[in-house]
Amino acid sequence: SQELEQSPQSLIVQEGKNLTINCTSSKTLYGLYWYKQKYGEGLIFLMMLQKGGEEKSHEKITAKLDEKKQQSSLHITASQPSHAGIYLCGALPNAGGTSYGKLTFGQGTILTVHP
Amino acid sequence: DTAVSQTPKYLVTQMGNDKSIKCEQNLGHDTMYWYKQDSKKFLKIMFSYNNKELIINETVPNRFSPKSPDKAHLNLHINSLELGDSAVYFCASSLMGAAETQYFGPGTRLLVL
Repeated sequence: SQELEQSPQSLIVQEGKNLTINCTSSKTLYGLYWYKQKYGEGLIFLMMLQKGGEEKSHEKITAKLDEKKQQSSLHITASQPSHAGIYLCGALPNAGGTSYGKLTFGQGTILTVHP
Repeated sequence: DTAVSQTPKYLVTQMGNDKSIKCEQNLGHDTMYWYKQDSKKFLKIMFSYNNKELIINETVPNRFSPKSPDKAHLNLHINSLELGDSAVYFCASSLMGAAETQYFGPGTRLLVL
C-alpha cells in the first residue's frame, strides 16, 4: 500500500518568514492533494497536482510535484499567523477509476506562526 | 451555505452504547466518504459510497455500519462503542472520478468514556 511521509512533523516560524513542507511517497503519485486543517475544524482543500513538474499557486502558497511524481513540496512565502494549522498531503494510489477516491494521507505537519 | 455538514459536532458517550453520526452535502456530489482521525492526527479512510452503493470498505470492525439513504446523505452508526473508537470522524464528498477533489465536513469529535 502507498505510504506518505511528511516533513517536518512540526514547524515554528516567525511571521514574515518563508517555509517549506515536504511530502514523500513510497510509490508513484497519481494525484497529490494538499489540505489545511485548523484546530477544531475540517480540512480545507488547497491544491491538487497531477502532472510531473506541475506547480500551482494560491495567494502566498505554492505547491510543486517533482518530475518523478514521488515528492511534493508546499512553500509559504512571508508567513502570517493565519497560515497556522495542520497541513496534510493526500494521494491517490493509482491511475484510473480503480482508486475510487481512496485517499491516503500523510501524518500532517503542524505549523505555528508567531506574530 | 454549508457544503458538507455533520451532526453532532461533539459526542460524549459511555462504552457499550450505540451512536450515530449524520452527514449531508449540498454540492451535488455523488460520492461520499467517512474518515477517522486518531489522536495523532493520522487520517484514514473507512468507507465510501457512490450513488448509495458501497465502493470502499476498509478494514473496519463490523460494529461500524454506514448507511446512505440518498446520494446527499451518508450516516455512520457505531454499535457497542469502545474506548479506542474515540477520534474525530470526518465526512467528505466528491464527484465520482479518478481524481476528483474531496471536500470535507467540520468533523464529529467522539469521546468514549
